[in-house]
This record gives sequence, structure tokens and C-alpha cells, in this order.
Amino acid sequence: KAGVTQTPRYLIKTRGQQVTLSCSPISGHRSVSWYQQTPGQGLQFLFEYFSETQRNKGNFPGRFSGRQFSNSRSEMNVSTLELGDSALYLCASSLAAAGAGTGELFFGEGSRLTVL
Amino acid sequence: AQTVTQSQPEMSVQEAETVTLSCTYDTSESDYYLFWYKQPPSRQMILVIRQEAYKQQNATENRFSVNFQKAAKSFSLKISDSQLGDAAMYFCASTFKAAGNKLTFGGGTRVLVKP
Repeated sequence: KAGVTQTPRYLIKTRGQQVTLSCSPISGHRSVSWYQQTPGQGLQFLFEYFSETQRNKGNFPGRFSGRQFSNSRSEMNVSTLELGDSALYLCASSLAAAGAGTGELFFGEGSRLTVL
Repeated sequence: AQTVTQSQPEMSVQEAETVTLSCTYDTSESDYYLFWYKQPPSRQMILVIRQEAYKQQNATENRFSVNFQKAAKSFSLKISDSQLGDAAMYFCASTFKAAGNKLTFGGGTRVLVKP
């Protein structure tokens, strides 16, 4: 069974640009969560989608958005990039929906974003 | 709000020895879950072990076991018979039933394994 796939793996952008990251969950998983990982702030929850609906959202500005498609693939978008958005963005999929509370996540290898 | 604290930035262990990683948490929820996740240098994070708060028995997965002290809000991870492949960042995390897959992570502990 294929794992969680994230694309692109690495990307470099400049301030003010926007970026779209993609995540394909494990087959059969309908929940997709996104996390930002930085040396200073650690791992922080961005949002979770289940059946194309955002079920939970972290404390990030509106520049961070996401969506989920009918095949459970998810994208996240960051507009008007800032230097502080440089991070590893991790996607995780799960069998359980938000509210089921299992927390058993399967992570992808991440997308490393560098903002210059 | 939940908080998770890992007080040890780095731990070193000799191969085949045992190492214990500390984690404390705070939550006002009664129905919550605790986890240890491992992030090797390749960056893909994997679940090591999971504990439901309502279960008194400590979870065990092969060489990995936890010491869950509910009253003290402590959740330590013991790695027995350490192997070179255990070298990684280890993150303690929590969630509660209504939060589902929104995990709160600690700052992580880097484990170094000496041959």
C-alpha cells in the first residue's frame, strides 16, 4: 500500500508570492491534516479535512488555506509569502474522522518551503 | 487548551542499553489520548505508541513502553535494547476526543545511539 505522498518535496519562493502544496493520502483514508514544522515553533497544526470539509483549524492567519477533493487528495495554499513561512509542511492521513479522536496519523515526508 | 512539554532536548544512549524520554502534559479534558511519534533523519514521522487516558495499563510495543502517570500528567517513553535505527527525534503528542486528529506536540527530544 502506497504511503502518503507530498509534492513538491522542495521549493523556493520569494516574499509576496504564493505557493500550493499537494498531498495524496493513503488509499482509503478520508482524513487529511496539515502541520507546519519549524525549528522555533516546532510542530503546529494547520487544519484538517474530512470528506471535502474543513473539520478543524489551527491558529494561523487567513493566508493559509486548504481544500480537499472528492478523491481525498488535499492541497494547501499560502498566499503573500513571508520569510517566517519557511518551514517543513507535513501532511498526514488517517482512517478516522475528526471527532473520532484516534490521533493515529500517517505522515508524508513533507514539503520543504524556503522563502527568500 | 492542551500543552505538551518535553524537557530533554537531547538524550544519548549506548547501543543495547535503555533510555527513558520524559513528557508532561496539561489538559482539562477527561477523554484524551497520548502518543509518541518518531521522526528519523529522513523526516517521515511514524507512530511509536499510543495510550488512551482511560486505560490504566501502560501501552507496550515491542521494545517501546510507556509509563503513564495520570495524576502527575506524565507520559514517559522507555526504549529498551536500543538499536542504531532508534536514532531520531521523538515527539510526545496529545489530543482529545472532540479534537480528533488535531495533535498538540511537544518540542521533541533527539535520541543519539552510540555503537
